[in-house]
Amino acid sequence: GENVEQHPSTLSVQEGDSAVIKCTYSDSASNYFPWYKQELGKRPQLIIDIRSNVGEKKDQRIAVTLNKTAKHFSLHITETQPEDSAVYFCAASMGGGKLIFGQGTELSVKP
Amino acid sequence: GAVVSQHPSRVICKSGTSVKIECRSLDFQATTMFWYRQFPKKSLMLMATSNEGSKATYEQGVEKDKFLINHASLTLSTLTVTSAHPEDSSFYICSARRGEGTDTQYFGPGTRLTVL
Repeated sequence: GENVEQHPSTLSVQEGDSAVIKCTYSDSASNYFPWYKQELGKRPQLIIDIRSNVGEKKDQRIAVTLNKTAKHFSLHITETQPEDSAVYFCAASMGGGKLIFGQGTELSVKP
Repeated sequence: GAVVSQHPSRVICKSGTSVKIECRSLDFQATTMFWYRQFPKKSLMLMATSNEGSKATYEQGVEKDKFLINHASLTLSTLTVTSAHPEDSSFYICSARRGEGTDTQYFGPGTRLTVL
């Protein structure tokens, strides 16, 4: 089955700096890659997603890149703000809706 | 749009009792819902896929007789933890897709289960 590895597990940056989180997946049939932000005790919130027919997608300060050949995708957050502090999860899906999540990255943005 | 609710938000029960958790899609119909379990500071682990009008599909290692799933309507799926034990204590989260042709999932707020 699909396996998703996520790194780093924790990431601390200064406000205004960029943050990059990386994920790799094992099954080349995966074609949908969402990223979720989860604050403590809250539900995961979709922040951006990308499909396998696209190499990059951007939404304001957030961007995701996908390298299908290498089977990895990354989340880039620019101009980080303290409110970006949360746990971020990547996920992969082969369709049918079933999401396999990475282990999560705890991002801390220091003012 | 795309709001998913869960009830209750938290529940404390005695060992050996059963607990039912409801997941509702409030403003859309969801033929498929998913149930996840999340331990503190850990990732979401998919437990099962709940299909309206048919049996749920359980992931490997998840006991279907322990975690009963019913998806009786297009807006409601329920997870019943039967004969709960302390090791079942966890954060249970559901999600729903808006339609069969979409990938995007919307998550409920989660239910914190504590078994004494």
